[in-house]
Amino acid sequence: DAGVIQSPRHEVTEMGQEVTLRCKPISGHDYLFWYRQTMMRGLELLIYFNNNVPIDDSGMPEDRFSAKMPNASFSTLKIQPSEPRDSAVYFCASSYNYEQYFGPGTRLTVT
Amino acid sequence: AQSVTQPDIHITVSEGASLELRCNYSYGATPYLFWYVQSPGQGLQLLLKYFSGDTLVQGIKGFEAEFKRSQSSFNLRKPSVHWSDAAEYFCAVGPASGYNKLIFGAGTRLAVHP
Repeated sequence: DAGVIQSPRHEVTEMGQEVTLRCKPISGHDYLFWYRQTMMRGLELLIYFNNNVPIDDSGMPEDRFSAKMPNASFSTLKIQPSEPRDSAVYFCASSYNYEQYFGPGTRLTVT
Repeated sequence: AQSVTQPDIHITVSEGASLELRCNYSYGATPYLFWYVQSPGQGLQLLLKYFSGDTLVQGIKGFEAEFKRSQSSFNLRKPSVHWSDAAEYFCAVGPASGYNKLIFGAGTRLAVHP
């Protein structure tokens, strides 16, 4: 299995631009999680899905953030408009039977 | 409130020395427990987990952890550390039923001296 796939691995954008991060979970996993990691705040859970349905989005920092999971093999996290404080590493993880498997992350830099 | 505490932010050990990383949790019921490792520039990798049964669990890379219900602890150990073990280690807890959302500790960064 290829594991959780995230793209792009690195993204540099200017403030105000729209950013879309993509995730392909492990086949057969029924949960998908989006996390953000920064030095200041550590690892934060943004939102998670169960069987493609959003369960808890209380960690999404603002309305500028949105996430979708149109099918079992794809999810997106969108930031519009982006701000410098959104700079972080964004991880996607998928899970089956309570074990979460993380992707390699997308390092986002907003200038 | 549900929480995970890793009291040590940084730990430095010599290569070949033993290691113990501490993890304490606060949870309404006996949770599922996990340790993850994150090497620089990479995602988190599952080291080991405890669901039930034997309270001493073995994981990958020679790590083990012991669940102590009376102390609400799940400490990670390794008898002899290798330089490649330098990384950040995260303890996590989750519910034994229902939605499997995990609560992560703040992490312990391990440095290994040659």
